[in-house]
Amino acid sequence: DIQMTQSPSSLSASVGDRVTLTCRAGQSILTFLNWYQQQPGKAPKLLIYSSSTLQNGVPSRFGGSGSGTDFTLTISSLQPEDFATYYCQQSYSYPWTFGQGTKVEIK
Amino acid sequence: QVQLVQSGVEVKKPGASVKVSCKASGYTFTSYGISWVRQAPGQGPEWMGWMNTYNGYTNYAQTLQGRVTMTTDTSTTTAYMELRSLISDDTAVYYCVRAPLFSTAVIPAFDYWGQGTLLTVSS
Repeated sequence: DIQMTQSPSSLSASVGDRVTLTCRAGQSILTFLNWYQQQPGKAPKLLIYSSSTLQNGVPSRFGGSGSGTDFTLTISSLQPEDFATYYCQQSYSYPWTFGQGTKVEIK
Repeated sequence: QVQLVQSGVEVKKPGASVKVSCKASGYTFTSYGISWVRQAPGQGPEWMGWMNTYNGYTNYAQTLQGRVTMTTDTSTTTAYMELRSLISDDTAVYYCVRAPLFSTAVIPAFDYWGQGTLLTVSS
């Protein structure tokens, strides 16, 4: 199984801040990397697929990049509704594995 | 609009079985696969398996082999996940998700999720 490691596990930030989350795969996954946002008590929501493609309806302040083993999710200007937990997931090979998440909290 | 609507809360004793349903609507059911993902309290999501709704092929997580069965009823566009010999570690929220049929899909990700079904396993 491909291990996905996210860092940091949590971060505190203020509205308007630029934040960067990282995800590392245990082997090359090309660009088969997806990002999900999960609000408390809700199902995860797909934000970005194939490393950098925004899902329909996702605000342009979200951006993704990376290939191979190292990936980043950037939120250019944090909004109140962005405080949530973010998971990366590889879809290169089954089982499709998730990272343990980065919780973005209000400073 | 695409919707996946799951069955309700379940409470089971260790050793029992549970069967969760997932009613799909708003798209052609057999043009996409269905995966099941579970999330234990405070943990990240865990992929359980995938089913090709077109031909019935399944691919299960090794850790659940022999205890999980995924099926579909294409006449009602409903997917099912049965988990047997339940243990306390199976306590989690279970999600059905729309998944691509092929690795070359435009969106190789889980683009729609059900609302989740909470399963509690306790004596």
